[in-house]
Parts: sequence; structure tokens; C-alpha cells
Amino acid sequence: DSGVTQTPKHLITATGQRVTLRCSPRSGDLSVYWYQQSLDQGLQFLIQYYNGEERAKGNILERFSAQQFPDLHSELNLSSLELGDSALYFCASSVGNSYNSPLHFGNGTRLTVT
Amino acid sequence: DQQVKQNSPSLSVQEGRISILNCDYTNSMFDYFLWYKKYPAEGPTFLISISSIKDKNEDGRFTVFLNKSAKHLSLHIVPSQPGDSAVYFCAAFASSASKIIFGSGTRLSIRP
Repeated sequence: DSGVTQTPKHLITATGQRVTLRCSPRSGDLSVYWYQQSLDQGLQFLIQYYNGEERAKGNILERFSAQQFPDLHSELNLSSLELGDSALYFCASSVGNSYNSPLHFGNGTRLTVT
Repeated sequence: DQQVKQNSPSLSVQEGRISILNCDYTNSMFDYFLWYKKYPAEGPTFLISISSIKDKNEDGRFTVFLNKSAKHLSLHIVPSQPGDSAVYFCAAFASSASKIIFGSGTRLSIRP
């Protein structure tokens, strides 16, 4: 158990809809990262927050947004969903805001857009 | 532009033998490399890392080798055990950058 909790585990929705994925980091971790893993693809970095502030941005679409709340949990909002958004979305947390602090991943949310 | 490449999507190794997983990178600014292991229905878990100032790091059955001139790193698992069957991701980052880059993963299967 990594200590990172992601909800929901599975999500099925239709094109054009909007969904929110939630992540609770490990106790004591200040950084939260979001990754997308499409079929047979590696982990694509989306965005990172550190102590409530956006720290780094990757290949995140404009239809996607995220935030980290004062209690350090994070939400990833995906809107105007397209079939290609179907993927596994992972949240990870770490103590610091540097990548030599290993990431601890949640079990992911599997999003299916129909 | 794939900055971190794992060219072997899958690898099958006999139990007890050595497993060697390879990873190539293109960005010479990368100065820290990590390996993550992923079981089905779980998130990746950190396995081992290496700083660019070293060429080898060992942790039990796992050893990571770094060849900076070739921009290549490898993960050796010896002896391989059934529980090692998983997908292994190579990852890299540069201290001057703001994101970590993962490879596409190699699925390792350990056969009896």
C-alpha cells in the first residue's frame, strides 16, 4: 500500500461530459503529480502541485485542469471528454518537489469514454 | 519526441537466470534516473535509482548500470524470481527541468 488514495477506481462516461478524479497523497507528502497512461503507452506527465501551488506542467490539454487544496488532496478535472481521453490516470505524491524524491503512486482511475 | 526509450516491449526470462532491461535516453541534461515496477491493477512502485555521477547502484538482487557516453542504462535482476513478473518503467529527470520523463515500459515475464 503506497498510502496514495485515488477515487473512483473506475469511471465510465460519454463523450462531451465532465469528470473529476480525486487524489489523497501520502501523509506528509506535499507534492502531487498527475500522469496519464493510455493503452501501451508510457506514463505521460500532466501536472504537478507542491503545497497548493502549481509547480510544473506537462502535456496537459486545455480541457483538463487540476488543483491542490489546503488539505493537500488534489483533483483532476477533465471536460469535453473525447474517446481518446480513455486511459488510466495515476496520481503520485512525494515529500519534496524534486524528482530525486521517489514518487509514490496510487492505483489509478480507469476512465472509459464511450 | 521520446526522450526516454524502452525499445523492448516485452521480455521473457527463465526463473533463476538474469533479467536485463534496457533504457536509452536522448537528453544529456538528465542527471537522475529511476526504475519503477508495476503490477496489474496497481500503481507503479519505486524500485531503484541512480545519479548521473555514478555508473552503478546495487540493491539486493537489483543493479542499475549507467553508461553516460552511450546515454544508456540497464536494470539487472539476478536471480530472477516469479514475483519479478511485472512491467518495468525507466524514468529520467534533469535538475534544471520541471518534469520527469517515463519510458513506455517493458513487460517482464519470468517462466518456470
